[in-house]
Amino acid sequence: QQQVKQSPQSLIVQKGGISIINCAYENTAFDYFPWYQQFPGKGPALLIAIRPDVSEKKEGRFTISFNKSAKQFSLHIMDSQPGDSATYFCAASIRSGTYKYIFGTGTRLKVLA
Amino acid sequence: SAVISQKPSRDICQRGTSLTIQCQVDSQVTMMFWYRQQPGQSLTLIATANQGSEATYESGFVIDKFPISRPNLTFSTLTVSNMSPEDSSIYLCSVARQGRETQYFGPGTRLLVL
Repeated sequence: QQQVKQSPQSLIVQKGGISIINCAYENTAFDYFPWYQQFPGKGPALLIAIRPDVSEKKEGRFTISFNKSAKQFSLHIMDSQPGDSATYFCAASIRSGTYKYIFGTGTRLKVLA
Repeated sequence: SAVISQKPSRDICQRGTSLTIQCQVDSQVTMMFWYRQQPGQSLTLIATANQGSEATYESGFVIDKFPISRPNLTFSTLTVSNMSPEDSSIYLCSVARQGRETQYFGPGTRLLVL
């Protein structure tokens, strides 16, 4: 019940295309869902996050779509660029208490020039 | 956000030795966490570093192997004890502020155990 399932494991997209990464969870107590971007040799950096009271959040080219009934959320990267090539992790946490994160397994994105 | 530094950035160690990793943040934070990220894998929480009290460890991680200190609100250390090659990983610290769920990560410490 504490798992967050992420797919696909890897993704190759042409420059200018849309990258879509999906995550699913079981624990309905989760109430905060961040996405992190990690470049090789670096720590993860917060990209965008959403709470379950909204169905979509957009920041620049990055959009989170959230489906509470299906217990799924996804990251959409519009107009993907070679500089977006990185590993992306979704996560889930419960805001009350310890704020511990449960991370997805990660998606390695490669955007072709 | 927060500016987080970790020392060392990388190290190569011999089996059976111990390494202490430092995490320093530029301002006071409430929560500090230590994660392990094995090559090509996701992040696994080792423990929550509590200021002034013993760390809270996750299942599969024990204090004897990963002792943690947190003497104040801006600094924490993680020791990897009696290392084996299986301990070769990236070790990351993260921080979060009081009442805020967002975690900010340090750059990580890359450990190779021979």
